[in-house]
Amino acid sequence: DTEVTQTPKHLVMGMTNKKSLKCEQHMGHRAMYWYKQKAKKPPELMFVYSYEKLSINESVPSRFSPECPNSSLLNLHLHALQPEDSALYLCASSPTGFGTEAFFGQGTRLTVV
Amino acid sequence: ELKVEQNPLFLSMQEGKNYTIYCNYSTTSDRLYWYRQDPGKSLESLFVLLSNGAVKQEGRLMASLDTKARLSTLHITAAVHDLSATYFCAVDMSYVIGNEKLTFGTGTRLTIIP
Repeated sequence: DTEVTQTPKHLVMGMTNKKSLKCEQHMGHRAMYWYKQKAKKPPELMFVYSYEKLSINESVPSRFSPECPNSSLLNLHLHALQPEDSALYLCASSPTGFGTEAFFGQGTRLTVV
Repeated sequence: ELKVEQNPLFLSMQEGKNYTIYCNYSTTSDRLYWYRQDPGKSLESLFVLLSNGAVKQEGRLMASLDTKARLSTLHITAAVHDLSATYFCAVDMSYVIGNEKLTFGTGTRLTIIP
């Protein structure tokens, strides 16, 4: 299994809603990432988990809350989002998180209304 | 702060032609990756370059890394339509476990014209 699986693929939510994005990999990777990508822009790193511990938080607003329940799962909890948070959210994983390539999931297209 | 710049940002080329995309970065690193992204899709890993002078080839694409010049190139040979996509380079500054981080370049949107 060489896939990173993200659910849902599409999500529309209101500004008062609470929702979660999910990411799963079974490649034994010990680093997992959340990236945000706006249209026609490169991906921007949000969070990194290394060995199930949050190692990097790129000054992301608290309305985004990551969670890593175990080495295979990564969640992103969303609350009180703004329309400008609409974007493609990409999950990725890498074998050791040190000098190795990241494998990306298909992404969740999020629209905040 | 690491800056990663690609040029050109947009490239329209005819089938059968050759061209090169450039990726410059501002801080010393000896690990660089190239990714492809189709519209509305995720990123597909193309090349992993892990040392100065590294050269990798896959089909009509060839990537190289010059760490002294802080430059990577992605060369396209005899372009075909299905190479149309956005190409990103990404620089790896994670020399310490727990500090994993990829910084992406600005992207090059490539359009191959029949």
